[in-house]
Amino acid sequence: DTGVSQNPRHKITKRGQNVTFRCDPISEHNRLYWYRQTLGQGPEFLTYFQNEAQLEKSRLLSDRFSAERPKGSFSTLEIQRTEQGDSAMYLCASSRLARGHQETQYFGPGTRLLVL
Amino acid sequence: DQQVKQNSPSLSVQEGRISILNCDYTNSMFDYFLWYKKYPAEGPTFLISISSIKDKNEDGRFTVFLNKSAKHLSLHIVPSQPGDSAVYFCAASAWGGSQGNLIFGKGTKLSVKP
Repeated sequence: DTGVSQNPRHKITKRGQNVTFRCDPISEHNRLYWYRQTLGQGPEFLTYFQNEAQLEKSRLLSDRFSAERPKGSFSTLEIQRTEQGDSAMYLCASSRLARGHQETQYFGPGTRLLVL
Repeated sequence: DQQVKQNSPSLSVQEGRISILNCDYTNSMFDYFLWYKKYPAEGPTFLISISSIKDKNEDGRFTVFLNKSAKHLSLHIVPSQPGDSAVYFCAASAWGGSQGNLIFGKGTKLSVKP
């Protein structure tokens, strides 16, 4: 299976700790997205990359959050000084932007974060 | 301000009957719409999409209808099967999806009873 993969699948941490999540997109997908989903809500956009360039950040992405995609392949999302409000499912999606075609995003299984 | 709305939090349907899930949007710049299905503890799975140049797209048991004047789309599942029980999310984007981020509704939980 060459779908989007995310690690870890679950993370429990104490308030104030730093956590890092990894996403491996579908190979040859040039765009990679991060979303956050809380209970009863749809996924909310955080940020996205086209190749290694971070093109957009949501206002949801506070300065405690940072994302990288150093070689245009996998990406990491780091949350520093975690707060209980950061508890959520963090979803990664990837897509291939091709001229003249609609772009469909394919999601990974997510990383569920619980901040105690 | 919610740009994509799914006003029915839940829907229950008998196996073999039609399931109709509805979605409304407010942003007239949206021109590409997608439906995703989500099981608990998993990521959303892409189901079907439609461009604003069409009013219908069909894929097997799934059909999406788009009414641009009403800013409304719907997903029809015929016949419904117990395995279709999941949360369904409507999502929208501008510029054929090349805008970047998708805007999601809050989802509708579909239960298909045997």
